[in-house]
Amino acid sequence: NAGVTQTPKFQVLKTGQSMTLQCAQDMNHEYMSWYRQDPGMGLRLIHYSVGAGITDQGEVPNGYNVSRSTTEDFPLRLLSAAPSQTSVYFCASSLSGGVNTGELFFGEGSRLTVL
Amino acid sequence: AQTVTQSQPEMSVQEAETVTLSCTYDTSENNYYLFWYKQPPSRQMILVIRQEAYKQQNATENRFSVNFQKAAKSFSLKISDSQLGDTAMYFCAFMKRGRGSQGNLIFGKGTKLSVKP
Repeated sequence: NAGVTQTPKFQVLKTGQSMTLQCAQDMNHEYMSWYRQDPGMGLRLIHYSVGAGITDQGEVPNGYNVSRSTTEDFPLRLLSAAPSQTSVYFCASSLSGGVNTGELFFGEGSRLTVL
Repeated sequence: AQTVTQSQPEMSVQEAETVTLSCTYDTSENNYYLFWYKQPPSRQMILVIRQEAYKQQNATENRFSVNFQKAAKSFSLKISDSQLGDTAMYFCAFMKRGRGSQGNLIFGKGTKLSVKP
């Protein structure tokens, strides 16, 4: 079972470049989200989506865009990368609404370095 | 707003011994989940244990158990018979539950656990 798949695993960017982190899940989960992990900070929520066509901001949304055109995919876009966006990014998914069991399924993470 | 605090940045334990990781949280919600996630050097986030706030009984999963004190807003993780494979970063996390829940997790900053042979 694939679960949550993130690509790329590693990426190096120059300041000002743009890129998209891809996330796909094959569990028919309605809820998907993006977190960033920085040393000493834990994981912080960037954006999330409760279904196709619906997205909302989390704790640290600045500098990032998302869209949700299908249930399966939830890409994260950096329009103009900055060194402060150097981080490890995790995509996660789960069932949502009244049947929310609380368990999030995480991808393997994407390490992004912005020079 | 909810907050999660892990006051121990690093801990170490001898193999086969028991260790307890601390977590406190702040919320005005009454219906929520608490979690412990493990992140080994492979970076994968692995769910260790989950506690539903309305359940008074502490959750257990094999060598892992929690001490959930709802009134004190405390949620500690006990690892018994520690193994080398338990070496990892451990995160405590909170999720509001029920209608309107978005499935968003609030994480603590983590505790780095080293199990020594």
